[in-house]
Amino acid sequence: DIVMTQSPDSLAVSLGERATINCKSSQSLLYSSNNENYLAWYQQKPGQPPKLLIHWASTRESGVPDRFSGSGSGTDFTLTISSLQAEDVADYYCQQYYSTPYTFGQGTKLEIK
Amino acid sequence: EVQLVESGEDLVQPGGSLRLSCAASAFTFSTYAIHWVRQAPGKGLEYVSLRRRTFYADSVKGRFTISRDNSKNTLYLQMGSLRGEDMAVYYCAREVCWFDPWGRGTLVTVSS
Repeated sequence: DIVMTQSPDSLAVSLGERATINCKSSQSLLYSSNNENYLAWYQQKPGQPPKLLIHWASTRESGVPDRFSGSGSGTDFTLTISSLQAEDVADYYCQQYYSTPYTFGQGTKLEIK
Repeated sequence: EVQLVESGEDLVQPGGSLRLSCAASAFTFSTYAIHWVRQAPGKGLEYVSLRRRTFYADSVKGRFTISRDNSKNTLYLQMGSLRGEDMAVYYCAREVCWFDPWGRGTLVTVSS
């Protein structure tokens, strides 16, 4: 199984500041035939299901604010929130869909400082 | 609107059984893989099982079984020999490579 490791486990950022969450996979998620990284990011607010933010490591889902961006390739990925808003307080998860089981990172709790 | 709705929430004793349902609407159910993902209280997301390739996580293998009724656009998760560590919110999610959408989840409580 591919192991996904996020860092940090929790993060406190001031409103308007940048938040950065890292995700590392135990093997490359880059599929050579299409040059795509099989990685997604989800946001989960209390009492709600996860919501897709980003797929293919850097493609923002329709309707997701452009302050959210994803980057990285191979085994190292980053989710960046350029200017933290109050509504961004949530848990964030990365997920690989390169091979079954489609494993998740352990999650990062993002709070306001 | 593409939607998944889980049901089957219940309190079950350890060793008991329960069947969860995931009803799909507004898409061709039979052409998509549907996954079960669970989340224990205060914990992260754990991948459980996949229909289509009939994959099960080691933690549930031999105890959980997936089936589907295409006429009802519904996927089922039959859970047996339930343990305390199976207590969680169970989500179903449609695979479009990534998972989207997710249902709102259904709570399974395992307690004597």
